[in-house]
Amino acid sequence: DAKTTQPPSMDCAEGRAANLPCNHSTISGNEYVYWYRQIHSQGPQYIIHGLKNNETNEMASLIITEDRKSSTLILPHATLRDTAVYYCIVRYTGTASKLTFGTGTRLQVTL
Amino acid sequence: DTAVSQTPKYLVTQMGNDKSIKCEQNLGHDTMYWYKQDSKKFLKIMFSYNNKELIINETVPNRFSPKSPDKAHLNLHINSLELGDSAVYFCASSQVGTGERYTFGSGTRLTVV
Repeated sequence: DAKTTQPPSMDCAEGRAANLPCNHSTISGNEYVYWYRQIHSQGPQYIIHGLKNNETNEMASLIITEDRKSSTLILPHATLRDTAVYYCIVRYTGTASKLTFGTGTRLQVTL
Repeated sequence: DTAVSQTPKYLVTQMGNDKSIKCEQNLGHDTMYWYKQDSKKFLKIMFSYNNKELIINETVPNRFSPKSPDKAHLNLHINSLELGDSAVYFCASSQVGTGERYTFGSGTRLTVV
C-alpha cells in the first residue's frame, strides 16, 4: 500500500471550512484514497473514500487531483465535535489488503 | 443497537495472567480485524479474519491467539500478559467488495500491572 504524508496538526475556526491535505505521490492506479478520523480515544470512524473522481457525502467532500498524487478532505462547516485525528490512507480493496494507519493530522477546531 | 461491540471495555490485570477480549458485529460483514493502539496512539493491525479464516497475521507474539467461531465473532486471547501489552485494542469489521468501509468498536483498554 502506498504511503501518505499529512501535516501533523491544523487549526480551524468553528463554522469555517477545514481543508486537510494529503500527499500520496506513489499511489497505484487501482488504489483508493480513504479518510478516517479518531475522536479522542474512540474507535476510528470512516468518513469518505474515492478512486479518481471527487466524492461528497453527508460528512465531507474528497477532492482528488487529476494525477491522483494528492487529495484534500473538506469539512464544509467545522464544529467543535470535528476535533479529531484525521487519517488519509491509500489501499487496494480485497481481503489481503490492510487498512494501515499513519500518524494523521490532528485537527483542532476552536471557537 | 451497537454495530461492533467489544467486551470488556476496561480490563486491569496482573502480569502473567491470561485474558480474553470478545468482539461481535451485527452488520453481516465477512471480515473482522483486531488493531492495537499503544500509548503513542499508533494504530497497528494485528489480525484479520475473512469468513472465519485467518487472512492477515502481523508480527505479533504467539501469546496472542485470535479465534473466530463464526463470521460475526472474533475473540482475542492473550496468554502470560506483559506490561508492554497495555494498550487499547480495537475490533473492526468490513465487507469485501462494497467500498470496504471498516466499522470499529469502541475499544478495550487493557492495563497490565
